[in-house]
Amino acid sequence: ELKVEQNPLFLSMQEGKNYTIYCNYSTTSDRLYWYRQDPGKSLESLFVLLSNGAVKQEGRLMASLDTKARLSTLHITAAVHDLSATYFCAVVHSGAGSYQLTFGKGTKLSVIP
Amino acid sequence: DSGVTQTPKHLITATGQRVTLRCSPRSGDLSVYWYQQSLDQGLQFLIQYYNGEERAKGNILERFSAQQFPDLHSELNLSSLELGDSALYFCASSSGRAWEQFFGPGTRLTVL
Repeated sequence: ELKVEQNPLFLSMQEGKNYTIYCNYSTTSDRLYWYRQDPGKSLESLFVLLSNGAVKQEGRLMASLDTKARLSTLHITAAVHDLSATYFCAVVHSGAGSYQLTFGKGTKLSVIP
Repeated sequence: DSGVTQTPKHLITATGQRVTLRCSPRSGDLSVYWYQQSLDQGLQFLIQYYNGEERAKGNILERFSAQQFPDLHSELNLSSLELGDSALYFCASSSGRAWEQFFGPGTRLTVL
């Protein structure tokens, strides 16, 4: 059974600081996604990481994937209040045309002015 | 706006009742997924359809069923509802090599 673990689950940080969210998963997968969710809202796709060593950046967020270590990181640079949200990583469990996602529990990020 | 639509946005019903949630995928997407999000279980995959055929089943209860119609919209039927079924139900759709899943706005189900 595929397990996805995120840490930390809660993160309170000051504006301007840097931090990293970690996502470990238990079985081989070559596809990992990061999503953002604001309270009561849907999931917004942030990054799609398709291969070992993949690195993607968008604004103050950078995501990377190490398939050998079964680890992805989401790095936040110089945090701003607008980044406050819950961030989920999700790993694909694929086979015979199925592509179900297994999600981590999410990291609730609060950026304090 | 992801292009995935879901109706209704909110649903309040009583235990023992049956409800139907509806999802329309993005234009051109053949795959539809259903997920349940609750405080205690987090985000859980329920079921996937591809072009009308069931492709994968996750932690979906026997009281729940789904189908995808020829026009590719999908419905999730929840019956004999229990208090614990109260949750946000998301539909997602995907296509293409990356199989990136785009989520709809969700239906918030409250069972009283």
